[in-house]
Formats: sequence, structure tokens, C-alpha cells
Amino acid sequence: SQTIHQWPATLVQPVGSPLSLECTVEGTSNPNLYWYRQAAGRGLQLLFYSVGIGQISSEVPQNLSASRPQDRQFILSSKKLLLSDSGFYLCALRTSGTDTQYFGPGTRLTVL
Amino acid sequence: GEDVEQSLFLSVREGDSSVINCTYTDSSSTYLYWYKQEPGAGLQLLTYIFSNMDMKQDQRLTVLLNKKDKHLSLRIADTQTGDSAIYFCAETEGTGRRALTFGSGTRLQVQP
Repeated sequence: SQTIHQWPATLVQPVGSPLSLECTVEGTSNPNLYWYRQAAGRGLQLLFYSVGIGQISSEVPQNLSASRPQDRQFILSSKKLLLSDSGFYLCALRTSGTDTQYFGPGTRLTVL
Repeated sequence: GEDVEQSLFLSVREGDSSVINCTYTDSSSTYLYWYKQEPGAGLQLLTYIFSNMDMKQDQRLTVLLNKKDKHLSLRIADTQTGDSAIYFCAETEGTGRRALTFGSGTRLQVQP
């Protein structure tokens, strides 16, 4: 069965510091991968989408970036964090040919 | 554009039925989903319904879809305290990336 790991689970970072959040998946090959952000008390906003290694679509202009160095690894990064980057970051996967997305446990980021 | 709307809060007594409602705008959605989020956790897929169906039942869960009115509901029978969580309605957008558009979530509080 498919498994999604996210690391770290929680993170507190100062404004202006860099960021690297990792998502790794197991039990599937060539998945479609997504990064979503959930602000406090809100729904989820799509940030990035990837159909394969090195293929990233950015959905919202911002100071975040994403990379997919391996088929089952999806990384969310920033060179300089802003206060507004605080939130709950969720990685999701969708197997090609299906519509259903499954979510990882999330990373809670607090920028102070 | 796409928009998914939900009421923010619902309170029920243990043993009663809960009905969470959702409206959506994208008529090209092929699947509609209900996700459950417990405090501090990721999203758990509860159930989904294909757009050509009117109803789907899965144990205590019943999903009703009124495609004409673009209205989706989730009924939880015999609601338990463990059902307390935030419930998100989501639709699959009609583009190739198949990203999900989420409502802002309904917080269900089950009183003993």
C-alpha cells in the first residue's frame, strides 16, 4: 500500500532563514505529487504540482520553490522565510490514471 | 473560477445523525471527496463519489450528490465522540493536473 512520509513534523524558524521540507512516498511508482498549504482555520491551497522527476508546476507566486530530485521525493524550499509562510504543509500523491489523492501527516511550520 | 463552500461549524449530540453540507461550482468535476482532519494531523480520505452517482453509502457514512444544484452532503449516522474533527469537501478540477479544490472545512463537535 502507499505510504507518505513528511519530515520534519514541526518546525519553528526565524524570519529570513532558509527552509527545506521533505516528502517521500513508498508503494507506488511515478506518482503525481502535490504540495498544499493550510493556513490557520482555512482550507488547503495548492502550491506545487509535479508529474515526474524535475517537472514542477508552480501554482501561486511566492518565495517558495519545489524540487523533485527522485521519483519518490518531493522537496519544498525557501531561501528566506516570511511570517506569512507559517502554516501546515501537506504533501499528497495521486497514482497516474486515478483521481484520488492521499495525504501525508503534514509539517507544521511556525515562522517567528 | 472554482469555489467550494461549507458551513464552518456543526454541533450534535452523541448518537444523533450529523449532516455536513457543501456546494461547489465546477460542473466538470469527475469526483467529489470528503476528507477528515483530526487536530494536528493530515487529511484522511473518508469517502468519495463519482459525479454520475446520486448516492453512496459506506457503513455509517452516506454521501448525497445533487448535480443540478451542485450540492454535496455527508451524513454520519450514530455520531460518536471520535467523529469530532474538521471535515473538508473537495472537488477534482477538470484539468490534467487533477488538483483538489477544498472548502474551508466544517468543524464537527460531538457532545456526549
